[in-house]
Amino acid sequence: QVQLQESGPGLVKPSQTLSLTCKVSGDSINSGNYYWNWIRQLPGGGLEWIGYIFHSGSTNYNPSLKSRVIISVDTSTNHFSLRLNSVTAADTAVYFCAKYDILTGRFDPWGQGTLVTVSS
Amino acid sequence: DIQMTQSPSSLSASVGDRVNISCRASQGISRYLNWYQQQSGQAPKLLIYGTSNLQGGVPSRFSGSGSGTDFTLTISNLQPEDFATYFCQQSYSTLFTFGPGTKVDIK
Repeated sequence: QVQLQESGPGLVKPSQTLSLTCKVSGDSINSGNYYWNWIRQLPGGGLEWIGYIFHSGSTNYNPSLKSRVIISVDTSTNHFSLRLNSVTAADTAVYFCAKYDILTGRFDPWGQGTLVTVSS
Repeated sequence: DIQMTQSPSSLSASVGDRVNISCRASQGISRYLNWYQQQSGQAPKLLIYGTSNLQGGVPSRFSGSGSGTDFTLTISNLQPEDFATYFCQQSYSTLFTFGPGTKVDIK
């Protein structure tokens, strides 16, 4: 059974870089027709897709965040990572990683999520 | 972007009720529509994919319908564990977008 687990600092200062890692267990990131995603949930409850990476390293980002986002993958350790630059208080959110099945078009499973607060 | 809207934003219902939640896309998305349930403090959980396909392990009281721009999630015989927030999400475009959510609480 595939499980995803986010990790990283819970507090980031304004203008700095938010960095999170998602560890994948029970499946290989190389295993085929999947995108590996970051999604965040803002304090008001809305879900915002940030971007995904394919095992080859190709990426796709939400245009609203594209200038500040880098998603990378390390297939040797079976994890993928998020970097979000120049953060502000508006980036305070719960960040989830999630597996997307290209053939069926579904996000499943999701990690448990990690709260990141941007504050000085 | 494909904008997703949901109605109502919240509803109150009783155990045993039948509940319908609507989701509308700003443009046609064929049947590329998923539904997720989120309990407080937890990650969203996939309920239905491709408009009407029940995810494994999800009770059959959940069902989905629709196509194009208008979709419905139906929960028949509402159970205590169903009180949660429900989100729709489109996979027609790889600029994935979610609806704002519908909170179902106890009447």
